[in-house]
Amino acid sequence: SQQGEEDPQALSIQEGENATMNCSYKTSINNLQWYRQNSGRGLVHLILIRSNEREKHSGRLRVTLDTSKKSSSLLITASRAADTASYFCATDAVGGANSKLTFGKGITLSVRP
Amino acid sequence: DSGVTQTPKHLITATGQRVTLRCSPRSGDLSVYWYQQSLDQGLQFLIQYYNGEERAKGNILERFSAQQFPDLHSELNLSSLELGDSALYFCASSGQSSGNTIYFGEGSWLTVV
Repeated sequence: SQQGEEDPQALSIQEGENATMNCSYKTSINNLQWYRQNSGRGLVHLILIRSNEREKHSGRLRVTLDTSKKSSSLLITASRAADTASYFCATDAVGGANSKLTFGKGITLSVRP
Repeated sequence: DSGVTQTPKHLITATGQRVTLRCSPRSGDLSVYWYQQSLDQGLQFLIQYYNGEERAKGNILERFSAQQFPDLHSELNLSSLELGDSALYFCASSGQSSGNTIYFGEGSWLTVV
């Protein structure tokens, strides 16, 4: 079963709006990462947040991590049509093999121009 | 450009055949990972190599095997191919310079007919 489960499965917003995507996981983690994938392309690393961090920013991205709830959220502010892609959270579980990331099924984000 | 190179980009082959997918990791990265992405299974971790040795094994079928060579490039061998093996196969790499971040190649599209 997937370690990370993203929510919602699909999200459609207007350009300029904020997009919030959530990820829940089951076991204790070392870190959690978010990736983006454009259709048929490779995954692009967006941001990594460690288990002892609660919030992290990178440009228009804001990631939060709540280890007590085993959940994370990715906020994309002022969305653009180019943000249309699938977004995955990936966890690096404590006690897992070195840096073996487990991915969720992904969220399909559509940003309408 | 992630720096991870995969060949071939596209491959069509018949059931029962064998194919080899090739991956060159980012310069200096010692870890190589293979992932399979299909519509029904999502992104599945197959196997990880570190400096030539197998480090972690995921949902890799017995018909599949991989290796990492002294120059750190890796190959994924898929044999006795079935229709259900049609998927996008990703190679990824990581190293000390990237911490826990894993960088993905663009993938090899395998279609089994």
